[in-house]
Amino acid sequence: QVQLQESGPGLVKPSQTLSLTCTVSSGSMSGYSYSWSWIRQPAGKGLEWIGRAGSNNNNPSLKGRVTISIDTSQNQFSLRLTSVTAADTAVYYCAREYKPLYYDYYYMDVWGKGTTVTVSS
Amino acid sequence: EIVLTQSPGTLSLSPGERATLSCRASQSVSGDYLTWYQQRPGQAPRLLIYRTSTRATGIVDRFSGSGSGTDFTLTITRLEPEDFAVYYCQHYGGSPLYTFGQGTKLEIK
Repeated sequence: QVQLQESGPGLVKPSQTLSLTCTVSSGSMSGYSYSWSWIRQPAGKGLEWIGRAGSNNNNPSLKGRVTISIDTSQNQFSLRLTSVTAADTAVYYCAREYKPLYYDYYYMDVWGKGTTVTVSS
Repeated sequence: EIVLTQSPGTLSLSPGERATLSCRASQSVSGDYLTWYQQRPGQAPRLLIYRTSTRATGIVDRFSGSGSGTDFTLTITRLEPEDFAVYYCQHYGGSPLYTFGQGTKLEIK
């Protein structure tokens, strides 16, 4: 069963860059059926999709601050969020998106446990 | 942007009762793109139902989804203690690619 694990600093200073990595284990990242995303959740609030790995498809609300790269040889994908503020403090999740064969929809079928990132000086 | 509005914000019920959770889209959407997740305290979201009404692997048949157009419903029958959690609906497609409802908290009465 594929597993996802987020890693990275738990504390980032304002105006700096938040960098997180998601490692995929017990499965391959390759395949037409899979894409990979980052989602975040501020404490006590709802879920916000950040973006999809290896594409320019990111949430416009983050105003171009997001880059999500992918390295299938290492079974990892990574999030970079620039110019962070306290509003970026949240639990960050990575997730696998699955697209059934012959259909054009995706859903997130596997999630990491999440990692808490605090933006503070 | 598709906006999903979930109601009620909090639902207080007792074990054994039936829960009905609503997700309303700001415009008509394809049911193929409507998904439900469960999030227990301190845990990551968990896939429950995709394509409006298809249960994910391992999800018991007490959970069911229905709806079309702008109105979608998650129904949980015979509530068990482990069902008390927050439930989110999600839409795929458009910009942003994914949007979530604000969640419904199902709490023990």
